[in-house]
Amino acid sequence: DGGITQSPKYLFRKEGQNVTLSCEQNLNHDAMYWYRQDPGQGLRLIYYSQIVNDFQKGDIAEGYSVSREKKESFPLTVTSAQKNPTAFYLCASSGQGNKQFFGPGTRLTVL
Amino acid sequence: QQQVKQSPQSLIVQKGGISIINCAYENTAFDYFPWYQQFPGKGPALLIAIRPDVSEKKEGRFTISFNKSAKQFSLHIMDSQPGDSATYFCAASSRGGADGLTFGKGTHLIIQP
Repeated sequence: DGGITQSPKYLFRKEGQNVTLSCEQNLNHDAMYWYRQDPGQGLRLIYYSQIVNDFQKGDIAEGYSVSREKKESFPLTVTSAQKNPTAFYLCASSGQGNKQFFGPGTRLTVL
Repeated sequence: QQQVKQSPQSLIVQKGGISIINCAYENTAFDYFPWYQQFPGKGPALLIAIRPDVSEKKEGRFTISFNKSAKQFSLHIMDSQPGDSATYFCAASSRGGADGLTFGKGTHLIIQP
């Protein structure tokens, strides 16, 4: 099946720990994106990458880091510097035409 | 500064009626305007999108109306059904959608049977 997979679905983290969220796509899309969603809020852009080995900060990049070593993969690390990391994290990808398609999301909870 | 303002925050429509959600944007560089539907606990799904060279786009029961001079666009859902009950987000992007999307805060739509 073609699509975007995110893992894990639920993630619990202790304060002070770094955690990495996985995002994989087999759609052969060049661009990938990370968004954060808080209750009652729209999605906010964290980072995006339009080609391998290159990425740009979005509106709320502080406390997050990414890598893009492979076209299919765009992992997001939530570092201990992120003050309020509890949220629903969504990964998206886009190909020609720039339509963004979203994965199922990872819900991160800080204990 | 909120670049995309969406209204209403919540909306209740009777089955068979027309649901209308409005968005306004500020950034004149925006040139791609999609609408997404999201069910609880799921990722958003792309419904329909428009570029500013047209004033209206229709796909099935979903229509986007776009007013470039007013910097406003809206989603109309015709013959609304209970299965349409979800949260709807408008969004905008520059460079034809290649840049990340700026989202509105969402509209929680309930279709009453």
